[in-house]
Amino acid sequence: GAGVSQSPRYKVAKRGQDVALRCDPISGHVSLFWYQQALGQGPEFLTYFQNEAQLDKSGLPSDRFFAERPEGSVSTLKIQRTQQEDSAVYLCASSLEGGWQGYTEAFFGQGTRLTVV
Amino acid sequence: DAKTTQPPSMDCAEGRAANLPCNHSTISGNEYVYWYRQIHSQGPQYIIHGLKNNETNEMASLIITEDRKSSTLILPHATLRDTAVYYCIVSRRAGNMLTFGGGTRLMVKP
Repeated sequence: GAGVSQSPRYKVAKRGQDVALRCDPISGHVSLFWYQQALGQGPEFLTYFQNEAQLDKSGLPSDRFFAERPEGSVSTLKIQRTQQEDSAVYLCASSLEGGWQGYTEAFFGQGTRLTVV
Repeated sequence: DAKTTQPPSMDCAEGRAANLPCNHSTISGNEYVYWYRQIHSQGPQYIIHGLKNNETNEMASLIITEDRKSSTLILPHATLRDTAVYYCIVSRRAGNMLTFGGGTRLMVKP
């Protein structure tokens, strides 16, 4: 597609419910990132994939958060037993480069706004 | 990654240059300066990045001081569509695991 696509755009979950957020990166992009953005704050890094390998998950706030990218393309961020503090916009980004040399810009999706009630 | 300090908000008149400062006094030699912006209800958008030389592209110019402790993003002719939160990020990592901070909310006024 032309850009990074995220679905759904909005999700309302009852506390304790499991949710799955989808990210379709730009075709051919090796790297994929998930960020969490609370209201009025800057985005915070959650996790990073290079193809299907999850190379960094240091930003995941708890073991209720799980991300996967099984075929190196589409990624899913899953949150189990959602809590009110999980309410935020979840942003996905992809970039072309796959290594640690040089820089290629990150392209962000519009995000999924999750509200836990 | 080095911490950055930006003013929380700035105003700019439409058509004038917008100069957005960023302080990164603890930057180390292998850390880059990146600028992204986020328009309301959209994901962040890359603007420009640099190491120590000034950089210019079709969107903006980046001026980095000689000691690299601060930088300025310049939008030469601001338009209403440039109203956004602008993030200055310093990172040694070549990838996109970025630490965004609070940013500067730029309001371009007619």
